[in-house]
Formats: sequence, C-alpha cells, structure tokens
Amino acid sequence: SQQGEEDPQALSIQEGENATMNCSYKTSINNLQWYRQNSGRGLVHLILIRSNEREKHSGRLRVTLDTSKKSSSLLITASRAADTASYFCATGTASKLTFGTGTRLQVTL
Amino acid sequence: GAVVSQHPSWVICKSGTSVKIECRSLDFQATTMFWYRQFPKQSLMLMATSNEGSKATYEQGVEKDKFLINHASLTLSTLTVTSAHPEDSSFYICSARRTGGYNEQFFGPGTRLTVL
Repeated sequence: SQQGEEDPQALSIQEGENATMNCSYKTSINNLQWYRQNSGRGLVHLILIRSNEREKHSGRLRVTLDTSKKSSSLLITASRAADTASYFCATGTASKLTFGTGTRLQVTL
Repeated sequence: GAVVSQHPSWVICKSGTSVKIECRSLDFQATTMFWYRQFPKQSLMLMATSNEGSKATYEQGVEKDKFLINHASLTLSTLTVTSAHPEDSSFYICSARRTGGYNEQFFGPGTRLTVL
C-alpha cells in the first residue's frame, strides 16, 4: 500500500508561475524525500528533509515538513518548461522506501 | 558521482521467453540494490531488495520464481523475468544505495519491457 498520498494528482501551470504539491503520509518518519521523474525515465533525487527540520531550500525548490500533520509540500518557484515531470514523495528506512502516488506537473510556455 | 545504469533501456519479447535486465552502479559500491515496477501513470512499487552475496528479499505478492534476482558483485544486480507474459509488461527501475550511505537511493533510467 502507498505510504504517501499526493495532491493534486495533476497540475498544469504556465512558465514563470509557482507550483505547489503536497504529500501526506501515515506513519512516523525519520525523513522524507522528494524525487522527480521525467516521462519514461528513472527518478532523480531532489531533496531530503529530516524529521527535525521544518523547511529546506535547494535552488528553486522549497520543501516544508509538518510532522504534526504528517504532511510535506514541495514548492517550485518560477517554473520552467523543463520542470514538466512527475514528482514523488518518499518515506521509509534505509532498507525500504515507499513512494507516494505522485503529482504530474505540466508547465506550458 | 552516484550514477546507476540499466541495460537494456527497452526490450520487446515474445510470450514465454525470459528477459534479463542489468543494473550497475558505475562509480560507487552498492551493497544493496532495489528493484521497482511501475505501471503507466502510477507510482513505483518495490518488488525486491537485493543484497550482495545473499538471497533477495521479495515483497509480498511478488513471485520469486518468476522474478529472479542475482546480486553477484557490489556493482551489479540482475533481474530475470522468466517465462514472461503480456501482464509482465511494465517499466522496471532499479536503484542502488551506497555502501555506508544514508537513506538516499540512486535510480537507474529504467527498462521498458513489452511482452507480445
């Protein structure tokens, strides 16, 4: 079963706009990770946020984590067409990652 | 660094044949590798965890006799889909965890398997 549920399932925005996607999970975590997957490709690791962190930045990415609500959000600022991809959150241990259902982001010119 | 390759990137085979997919960590050693399966527009589902020098651990519902995994070295794991059927058609993705590393898994580009 999926540990994470993501919403929205699909998101379409114009270039330059911000994109926000959310992930909710069910059990306690040590950390949460976000991955990007271009169509028909493998996953690229974006960012890892630990359970004692509330916010983390990496370039145009901002991740927040609210362990009390068991949720995380990924914000992509000033989106570009190249950001078009599916985005997955993942939780788990070193032995096993469980992925959320994913958000398909479409950035149009 | 931390590059994982898969071969082949795509394969088409006839029903009943076996297909081997290779997963290699190119610039690091990986004691543990993982095999995932992904259906169109769905998330990744873990099939099995492969540990170098020992038997793979399969997730519930995954047939170990159908999906044979071998992790013969610290840089290579193989997944063999035996007697493939059309329902085995899927996108197979491997990942590798660096020996001594934290939670991060490095993913291969995936292999598209189509069984006719």
